[in-house]
Amino acid sequence: GAGVSQTPSNKVTEKGKYVELRCDPISGHTALYWYRQSLGQGPEFLIYFQGTGAADDSGLPNDRFFAVRPEGSVSTLKIQRTERGDSAVYLCASSVTASSGYTFGSGTRLTVV
Amino acid sequence: QQQVKQSPQSLIVQKGGISIINCAYENTAFDYFPWYQQFPGKGPALLIAIRPDVSEKKEGRFTISFNKSAKQFSLHIMDSQPGDSATYFCAATTSGTYKYIFGTGTRLKVLA
Repeated sequence: GAGVSQTPSNKVTEKGKYVELRCDPISGHTALYWYRQSLGQGPEFLIYFQGTGAADDSGLPNDRFFAVRPEGSVSTLKIQRTERGDSAVYLCASSVTASSGYTFGSGTRLTVV
Repeated sequence: QQQVKQSPQSLIVQKGGISIINCAYENTAFDYFPWYQQFPGKGPALLIAIRPDVSEKKEGRFTISFNKSAKQFSLHIMDSQPGDSATYFCAATTSGTYKYIFGTGTRLKVLA
């Protein structure tokens, strides 16, 4: 596609529930990133994929967070047992290579009630 | 040492005025400094970027000034327009890596 597509654009879930957030990167971009943006803050790095593998997941806050990219294209960020503190905008970005500039998607706004 | 400090938090400028946003960093390994513009409900979009081998880079109404010795860089928006009203983020990274460190953002409002 022309840009990075993220779905859903908004997600409201109850505390303790499981959620999946989807990212469809720009075609041909091998590098994919997830960032989290809390209200009034800049984006914070969560995880980086090169191809199908998670090259760096050092930003994932705890083991409730997990991400996959099984075919090297679409990625899914999975959050188990959601907590109110998980409420944020989750941004996905992709790039041609790891050292080239990012293109961000519009994000998924997650609200945990 | 990984932080990028951004100021001001918010800024109001009259149409036609100059908007100035400042950032400071500690990690001397950083060598790529992009600025991103974010409109409500959208993801950040790359606006302009600079590397430390130059002290200034200009693209249209947008200029980055870079002071390597002070470890500071700033974004200047000349002839600010209401359409420039957005949140601006500075960021820093090291070439060949992929992890950007973002500032906390500046909410700019340009009055018509």
